Amino acid sequence: EVQLVESGGDLVQPGGSLRLSCAASGFTFNSYSMNWVRQAPGKGLEWVSVISGIGDEKKYVDSVKGRFTISRDNSKNTMDLQMQNLRAEDTAVYYCVRRVQKWSKQEDYFDHWGQGTLVTVSS
Amino acid sequence: DIQMTQSPSSLSASVGDRVSITCRASESISKYLNWYQQKPGKAPKLLIYAASTLQSAVPLRFNGSGSETDFTLTIDSLQPEDFATYYCQQSYSTQKTFGQGTKVEI
Repeated sequence: EVQLVESGGDLVQPGGSLRLSCAASGFTFNSYSMNWVRQAPGKGLEWVSVISGIGDEKKYVDSVKGRFTISRDNSKNTMDLQMQNLRAEDTAVYYCVRRVQKWSKQEDYFDHWGQGTLVTVSS
Repeated sequence: DIQMTQSPSSLSASVGDRVSITCRASESISKYLNWYQQKPGKAPKLLIYAASTLQSAVPLRFNGSGSETDFTLTIDSLQPEDFATYYCQQSYSTQKTFGQGTKVEI
């Protein structure tokens, strides 16, 4: 059974830093790109970042570029999101999400989500 | 960035109704369109991918259609467990944007 468990969410002051982690199990971790998707309280979903299976490709939504860094450790089946210079608008539940990609079939989707971890940026 | 626009933002329906939600992309995305269901306090769940392919274990009353810029999610014979918020998502570009969501309520 695929399991994704996030941790690290907390209350942090504006300008502060936080590191989120995702522990994966139940699948061959290095075969999948992994993502962070966030959801502000009462709002919709926003894709944040993706890292390739071997960690050589990383992408970010424009609003977090230069502030957030995604990484993974395939020996430990974990993925992290290092967040710096946090702003009030970064307040959200952050989900760890597995991506399935099959370009030949036009298939590219998020099939498994963790339960989320809450980040609150406030003074 | 590709913008995704869902309509309506919310709708009221009854058990047994047939409901449709539309999603429009700001540019052509072929069939790179996915639908998710989210219930309060829970993580989203994948319903449909590649515009019309039903994810494993999703009931057959859920149907997806469309291509290029216009897509539709239809729920035949709405069940009590279907009251939730539904999101479309494009996976054509690197920045995988979501629609704003459609809340289906009684």
